[in-house]
Amino acid sequence: DADVTQTPRNRITKTGKRIMLECSQTKGHDRMYWYRQDPGLGLRLIYYSFDVKDINKGEISDGYSVSRQAQAKFSLSLESAIPNQTALYFCATSDGGSNQPQHFGDGTRLSIL
Amino acid sequence: GEDVEQSLFLSVREGDSSVINCTYTDSSSTYLYWYKQEPGAGLQLLTYIFSNMDMKQDQRLTVLLNKKDKHLSLRIADTQTGDSAIYFCAESSGDKIIFGKGTRLHILP
Repeated sequence: DADVTQTPRNRITKTGKRIMLECSQTKGHDRMYWYRQDPGLGLRLIYYSFDVKDINKGEISDGYSVSRQAQAKFSLSLESAIPNQTALYFCATSDGGSNQPQHFGDGTRLSIL
Repeated sequence: GEDVEQSLFLSVREGDSSVINCTYTDSSSTYLYWYKQEPGAGLQLLTYIFSNMDMKQDQRLTVLLNKKDKHLSLRIADTQTGDSAIYFCAESSGDKIIFGKGTRLHILP
């Protein structure tokens, strides 16, 4: 079983719809992250959380929101999706403390028409 | 701000060595990482090096760190078709990890 599970793996939806991407982990890590990956742009950090109810903005948080109601779960929402949010989205976790490596889920491919 | 630079593409013949280079900017980085991304999958931690080391070897992988020049490299010996992937260099920066844009390694027969 995967340690970091993302659902759904693929999603196609229309402009203006609200979408939620889920991430759950069995690693017992405190820290969780959401990234988006675009061709030629690498990974960009959207939001991160160091504990339950702790939320921090990343590099590109506009248009997104997150929720961390439990240690094992971190969800990403697009309140009103737009086509330039079409991307591959990754959730990652890490143990507490600086410099710990991050462990990634397999990603959610999101297409906004 | 922090930045991690790496070339976008590398082609190598099967059986040769691959060398992927990376430069970073945060001199206070404690760890530097190499991640591998295969098609349809997330990033997998390949190896990492602590900043007080200058070399780390793990089977076919050799990581070299030049702290003075802020240069990191990953050498893959005897490159195989299964090594075809995107390789990301990353540096620790405070509570975050900063990723490069990734180098796509293409294996020629």
